[in-house]
Amino acid sequence: GEDVEQSLFLSVREGDSSVINCTYTDSSSTYLYWYKQEPGAGLQLLTYIFSNMDMKQDQRLTVLLNKKDKHLSLRIADTQTGDSAIYFCAERSEAGSARQLTFGSGTQLTVLP
Amino acid sequence: DTGVSQDPRHKITKRGQNVTFRCDPISEHNRLYWYRQTLGQGPEFLTYFQNEAQLEKSRLLSDRFSAERPKGSFSTLEIQRTEQGDSAMYLCASSQGVRTPEQYFGPGTRLTVT
Repeated sequence: GEDVEQSLFLSVREGDSSVINCTYTDSSSTYLYWYKQEPGAGLQLLTYIFSNMDMKQDQRLTVLLNKKDKHLSLRIADTQTGDSAIYFCAERSEAGSARQLTFGSGTQLTVLP
Repeated sequence: DTGVSQDPRHKITKRGQNVTFRCDPISEHNRLYWYRQTLGQGPEFLTYFQNEAQLEKSRLLSDRFSAERPKGSFSTLEIQRTEQGDSAMYLCASSQGVRTPEQYFGPGTRLTVT
């Protein structure tokens, strides 16, 4: 079955880099995602990576994918206080027609001044 | 703003009452999803529409839950005889097509059952 796991908390100093890690189990997943959720809000799509890629960079965000180990990471460069939020990793199911996402429990990122 | 919208944003109801939520997807997105998110967890898939057809339902979608997308545009999610365990954030998402990987989420409807 599908399962996505993330560490629960991460704390960094403003200006440092943050690295949020995720492991997934579904080797047939074609897309893997990172979403950001601020308190009381919906999920904001940050970025996604196709499974045949190793890396994707988008401004301050770098996604690394190790398909052999089923490990995904999100690096945020020059982390700011506005980056404090919960970050969710998700994989897209290729079983059935829905292509729904399976999410981890989220990593609470706290940026300290 | 052309994002996914949901209404209401918050709903407080007494146990046993019926509630209905609405989702307006991004224009021309033919795929629409409902997810449920409980405190401290990631969203979990409930159901999926391709245009007006409801094609998949999760085991989480008990028979007290019903969803519709009558004209392939907006969707409604109704919960009958609400229970305290139904308290959660209900999220709607839309995407353009199977070859388009982006799924965009709305702000959610926070349901509290007292």
